[in-house]
Amino acid sequence: DTAVSQTPKYLVTQMGNDKSIKCEQNLGHDTMYWYKQDSKKFLKIMFSYNNKELIINETVPNRFSPKSPDKAHLNLHINSLELGDSAVYFCASSQNENTEAFFGQGTRLTVV
Amino acid sequence: GESVGLHLPTLSVQEGDNSIINCAYSNSASDYFIWYKQESGKGPQFIIDIRSNMDKRQGQRVTVLLNKTVKHLSLQIAATQPGDSAVYFCAERGGSYIPTFGRGTSLIVHP
Repeated sequence: DTAVSQTPKYLVTQMGNDKSIKCEQNLGHDTMYWYKQDSKKFLKIMFSYNNKELIINETVPNRFSPKSPDKAHLNLHINSLELGDSAVYFCASSQNENTEAFFGQGTRLTVV
Repeated sequence: GESVGLHLPTLSVQEGDNSIINCAYSNSASDYFIWYKQESGKGPQFIIDIRSNMDKRQGQRVTVLLNKTVKHLSLQIAATQPGDSAVYFCAERGGSYIPTFGRGTSLIVHP
Protein backbone atom coordinates (compact mmCIF):
# COMPACT_ATOMS: atom_id res chain seq x y z
CA ASP A 1 0.00 0.00 0.00
CA THR A 2 1.28 3.41 -0.94
CA ALA A 3 1.41 5.66 2.12
CA VAL A 4 1.44 9.00 0.31
CA SER A 5 0.36 9.01 -3.30
CA GLN A 6 0.20 11.90 -5.68
CA THR A 7 -1.03 12.15 -9.24
CA PRO A 8 -0.05 12.69 -11.91
CA LYS A 9 3.61 11.73 -11.82
CA TYR A 10 4.36 13.82 -14.89
CA LEU A 11 2.53 16.90 -16.09
CA VAL A 12 3.40 18.88 -19.20
CA THR A 13 1.29 21.93 -19.92
CA GLN A 14 1.36 25.27 -21.66
CA MET A 15 1.83 28.64 -20.08
CA GLY A 16 -1.36 30.21 -18.87
CA ASN A 17 -3.14 26.94 -18.20
CA ASP A 18 -4.67 25.92 -14.87
CA LYS A 19 -3.73 22.54 -13.43
CA SER A 20 -4.16 20.48 -10.28
CA ILE A 21 -2.04 17.89 -8.54
CA LYS A 22 -3.75 15.47 -6.21
CA CYS A 23 -2.38 13.99 -3.00
CA GLU A 24 -3.74 11.35 -0.68
CA GLN A 25 -2.30 9.76 2.44
CA ASN A 26 -3.60 6.59 4.08
CA LEU A 27 -1.51 6.92 7.24
CA GLY A 28 -4.10 8.73 9.32
CA HIS A 29 -1.73 11.67 9.71
CA ASP A 30 -2.91 15.03 10.92
CA THR A 31 -0.54 17.23 8.93
CA MET A 32 0.09 17.40 5.19
CA TYR A 33 2.53 19.50 3.20
CA TRP A 34 3.42 20.60 -0.29
CA TYR A 35 7.06 21.16 -1.23
CA LYS A 36 8.64 22.47 -4.41
CA GLN A 37 12.01 21.07 -5.48
CA ASP A 38 13.97 23.07 -8.01
CA SER A 39 16.56 21.89 -10.49
CA LYS A 40 19.27 22.26 -7.85
CA LYS A 41 17.41 19.88 -5.52
CA PHE A 42 16.47 22.58 -3.05
CA LEU A 43 13.28 21.66 -1.19
CA LYS A 44 11.10 24.60 -0.30
CA ILE A 45 7.95 24.36 1.79
CA MET A 46 4.89 25.80 0.12
CA PHE A 47 1.98 24.88 2.35
CA SER A 48 1.21 22.98 5.48
CA TYR A 49 -2.23 21.80 6.56
CA ASN A 50 -3.13 20.53 10.01
CA ASN A 51 -6.58 19.03 10.49
CA LYS A 52 -7.83 20.80 7.37
CA GLU A 53 -6.66 24.19 8.47
CA LEU A 54 -3.78 26.06 6.90
CA ILE A 55 -1.21 26.69 9.58
CA ILE A 56 1.70 27.91 7.51
CA ASN A 57 1.56 29.60 4.16
CA GLU A 58 4.94 30.52 2.73
CA THR A 59 5.19 33.49 0.42
CA VAL A 60 4.22 31.66 -2.71
CA PRO A 61 2.23 33.34 -5.48
CA ASN A 62 -1.49 33.34 -4.92
CA ARG A 63 -1.81 31.44 -8.18
CA PHE A 64 -1.07 28.44 -6.00
CA SER A 65 -3.85 27.30 -3.73
CA PRO A 66 -4.10 24.18 -1.57
CA LYS A 67 -7.45 22.47 -1.21
CA SER A 68 -8.16 19.90 1.47
CA PRO A 69 -11.54 18.15 1.12
CA ASP A 70 -10.72 15.95 4.11
CA LYS A 71 -7.83 15.03 6.39
CA ALA A 72 -6.48 12.45 3.98
CA HIS A 73 -6.26 14.72 0.95
CA LEU A 74 -4.38 17.89 0.11
CA ASN A 75 -4.59 18.93 -3.52
CA LEU A 76 -2.57 21.69 -5.14
CA HIS A 77 -4.22 23.98 -7.68
CA ILE A 78 -2.14 26.22 -9.87
CA ASN A 79 -3.64 28.97 -12.00
CA SER A 80 -2.07 30.78 -14.93
CA LEU A 81 1.01 28.59 -15.05
CA GLU A 82 4.35 30.24 -15.77
CA LEU A 83 7.63 28.86 -17.04
CA GLY A 84 9.18 29.33 -13.61
CA ASP A 85 6.66 26.97 -12.09
CA SER A 86 8.47 24.06 -13.72
CA ALA A 87 9.78 21.90 -10.90
CA VAL A 88 9.08 18.70 -9.00
CA TYR A 89 6.30 19.07 -6.45
CA PHE A 90 6.19 16.77 -3.45
CA CYS A 91 3.34 16.08 -1.15
CA ALA A 92 4.13 14.83 2.36
CA SER A 93 2.39 14.03 5.61
CA SER A 94 3.35 13.59 9.24
CA GLN A 95 1.56 12.47 12.39
CA ASN A 96 2.17 15.86 13.92
CA GLU A 97 4.71 18.63 13.84
CA ASN A 98 7.17 16.66 15.95
CA THR A 99 7.50 13.56 13.81
CA GLU A 100 9.09 12.74 10.50
CA ALA A 101 7.33 13.42 7.23
CA PHE A 102 6.49 10.78 4.66
CA PHE A 103 6.82 11.92 1.07
CA GLY A 104 5.04 11.02 -2.11
CA GLN A 105 6.90 10.15 -5.29
CA GLY A 106 6.67 13.65 -6.67
CA THR A 107 5.03 15.29 -9.67
CA ARG A 108 7.33 16.66 -12.31
CA LEU A 109 5.64 19.72 -13.75
CA THR A 110 6.94 21.12 -17.02
CA VAL A 111 5.51 24.36 -18.33
CA VAL A 112 6.20 25.04 -22.00
CA GLY B 1 28.80 18.97 3.48
CA GLU B 2 26.98 22.26 3.80
CA SER B 3 25.85 23.71 0.55
CA VAL B 4 27.74 26.72 -0.65
CA GLY B 5 26.93 28.56 -3.84
CA LEU B 6 24.89 27.04 -6.58
CA HIS B 7 26.32 23.54 -6.74
CA LEU B 8 25.07 20.52 -4.89
CA PRO B 9 27.93 19.34 -2.66
CA THR B 10 29.15 15.91 -3.62
CA LEU B 11 30.83 13.24 -1.57
CA SER B 12 32.49 10.37 -3.44
CA VAL B 13 33.52 7.26 -1.55
CA GLN B 14 34.56 3.71 -2.28
CA GLU B 15 32.28 0.84 -1.44
CA GLY B 16 33.00 -0.35 2.06
CA ASP B 17 34.29 2.98 3.30
CA ASN B 18 32.53 4.99 5.98
CA SER B 19 30.79 8.17 4.85
CA ILE B 20 30.22 11.33 6.82
CA ILE B 21 27.74 13.91 5.59
CA ASN B 22 27.63 17.24 7.40
CA CYS B 23 24.95 19.82 7.89
CA ALA B 24 24.94 23.19 9.60
CA TYR B 25 21.78 24.81 10.88
CA SER B 26 21.12 28.35 11.99
CA ASN B 27 18.02 28.26 14.18
CA SER B 28 18.97 27.96 17.85
CA ALA B 29 15.34 27.13 18.64
CA SER B 30 15.40 23.98 16.51
CA ASP B 31 14.75 20.97 18.68
CA TYR B 32 14.15 18.17 16.22
CA PHE B 33 16.39 17.08 13.37
CA ILE B 34 15.84 14.56 10.62
CA TRP B 35 17.98 13.03 7.90
CA TYR B 36 16.36 12.07 4.63
CA LYS B 37 17.64 10.11 1.65
CA GLN B 38 16.40 10.90 -1.83
CA GLU B 39 17.11 8.48 -4.63
CA SER B 40 16.81 9.54 -8.23
CA GLY B 41 13.21 9.92 -9.31
CA LYS B 42 11.82 9.34 -5.84
CA GLY B 43 10.66 11.37 -2.88
CA PRO B 44 12.79 11.91 0.22
CA GLN B 45 12.77 8.96 2.60
CA PHE B 46 13.26 9.14 6.36
CA ILE B 47 16.55 7.67 7.62
CA ILE B 48 16.98 8.73 11.21
CA ASP B 49 16.06 11.54 13.56
CA ILE B 50 17.39 13.06 16.74
CA ARG B 51 15.96 15.44 19.30
CA SER B 52 17.86 18.26 20.90
CA ASN B 53 18.16 16.49 24.24
CA MET B 54 20.46 13.93 22.64
CA ASP B 55 23.97 14.13 21.16
CA LYS B 56 24.02 10.85 19.32
CA ARG B 57 21.62 8.31 17.96
CA GLN B 58 22.36 5.08 16.15
CA GLY B 59 20.40 3.11 13.63
CA GLN B 60 21.28 0.29 11.32
CA ARG B 61 24.62 1.31 9.74
CA VAL B 62 23.80 4.97 10.36
CA THR B 63 24.65 7.30 13.21
CA VAL B 64 23.56 10.88 13.67
CA LEU B 65 25.60 13.26 15.78
CA LEU B 66 24.28 16.58 17.03
CA ASN B 67 26.47 19.39 18.29
CA LYS B 68 24.19 22.13 19.52
CA THR B 69 27.05 24.37 20.53
CA VAL B 70 28.15 24.90 16.96
CA LYS B 71 24.75 24.05 15.41
CA HIS B 72 26.13 21.13 13.48
CA LEU B 73 24.60 17.82 12.50
CA SER B 74 26.29 14.87 10.83
CA LEU B 75 25.21 11.57 9.35
CA GLN B 76 27.65 8.71 9.42
CA ILE B 77 27.09 5.72 7.19
CA ALA B 78 29.16 2.65 7.96
CA ALA B 79 30.39 0.31 5.24
CA THR B 80 28.85 2.39 2.47
CA GLN B 81 27.20 0.41 -0.29
CA PRO B 82 26.32 1.35 -3.88
CA GLY B 83 22.67 1.42 -2.82
CA ASP B 84 23.49 4.30 -0.51
CA SER B 85 24.12 6.55 -3.51
CA ALA B 86 21.55 9.32 -3.27
CA VAL B 87 21.06 12.91 -2.20
CA TYR B 88 20.95 13.32 1.57
CA PHE B 89 19.09 16.14 3.27
CA CYS B 90 19.07 17.31 6.83
CA ALA B 91 15.91 18.95 8.08
CA GLU B 92 15.32 20.93 11.24
CA ARG B 93 12.13 21.81 12.99
CA GLY B 94 11.81 24.46 15.64
CA GLY B 95 9.58 27.39 16.23
CA SER B 96 7.36 26.80 13.23
CA TYR B 97 5.49 23.59 12.56
CA ILE B 98 7.29 22.70 9.39
CA PRO B 99 10.64 21.08 8.72
CA THR B 100 13.15 23.28 6.95
CA PHE B 101 15.45 21.43 4.61
CA GLY B 102 19.11 22.05 4.01
CA ARG B 103 20.58 22.15 0.53
CA GLY B 104 21.41 18.46 0.28
CA THR B 105 24.59 16.47 -0.38
CA SER B 106 25.00 14.03 -3.21
CA LEU B 107 26.68 10.79 -2.11
CA ILE B 108 28.31 8.74 -4.85
CA VAL B 109 29.52 5.27 -3.95
CA HIS B 110 31.99 3.67 -6.33
CA PRO B 111 32.04 -0.12 -6.48
